[in-house]
Amino acid sequence: DIVMTQSPDSLAVSLGERATINCKSSQSVLYSSNNKNYLAWYQQKPGQPPKLLIYWASTRESGVPDRFSGSGSGTDFTLTINSLQAEDVAVYFCQQYYITPLTFGGGTKVEIK
Amino acid sequence: EVQLLESGGGLIQPGGSLRLSCAASRFTFGSYAMTWVRQAPGKGLDWVSSISGRGDNTYYADSVKGRFTISRDNSKNTLYLQMNSLRVEDTGVYFCAKGHRASTSSYSDYWGQGTLVLVSS
Repeated sequence: DIVMTQSPDSLAVSLGERATINCKSSQSVLYSSNNKNYLAWYQQKPGQPPKLLIYWASTRESGVPDRFSGSGSGTDFTLTINSLQAEDVAVYFCQQYYITPLTFGGGTKVEIK
Repeated sequence: EVQLLESGGGLIQPGGSLRLSCAASRFTFGSYAMTWVRQAPGKGLDWVSSISGRGDNTYYADSVKGRFTISRDNSKNTLYLQMNSLRVEDTGVYFCAKGHRASTSSYSDYWGQGTLVLVSS
């Protein structure tokens, strides 16, 4: 199984500042035949289901604000939230969909400092 | 807008069975893989099972293999999860989620609100 490790577990960021979340996979999720990283990011607010933010490691889902960006390749990935807004308080999860089981990272809780 | 509505959760004793359903609408159901993901209270996301668009490929987490069965009825636009021999550790909110393509190697672009399964004596 591919193990997804997120860091940090939580972080507190001032409004308007940048939040950076890391996700590391135990093996590469880059598929060589199409050069795509099978890595997604989700946002979950309390009492709500997860919401897709980013797929293919760096493609923003329609309607997601452009302050959210994804980067990385192979085994190391980053979700960046530029200019943090109050509505961005949530838990963020990465997930690999390269192979079943489709594993998730443990989550990173983002709060306002 | 895609809609996914889970049902069938509830309180069940250890060793019991439940069948979850997920009614889908506003997309061509049979063209997309579907997935069940669960979340224990206060915990992270735990992938449970996925099924391909035509239903010919199914996959399970080791923790549920042999006890849970995923299936779909494309004529009824409905996804199912038959859960047998339930354990206390199966407790959580169960979400159904739509894949972005027919293959199970999909990210989940839409999620239902979830249904709570509580396994307790």
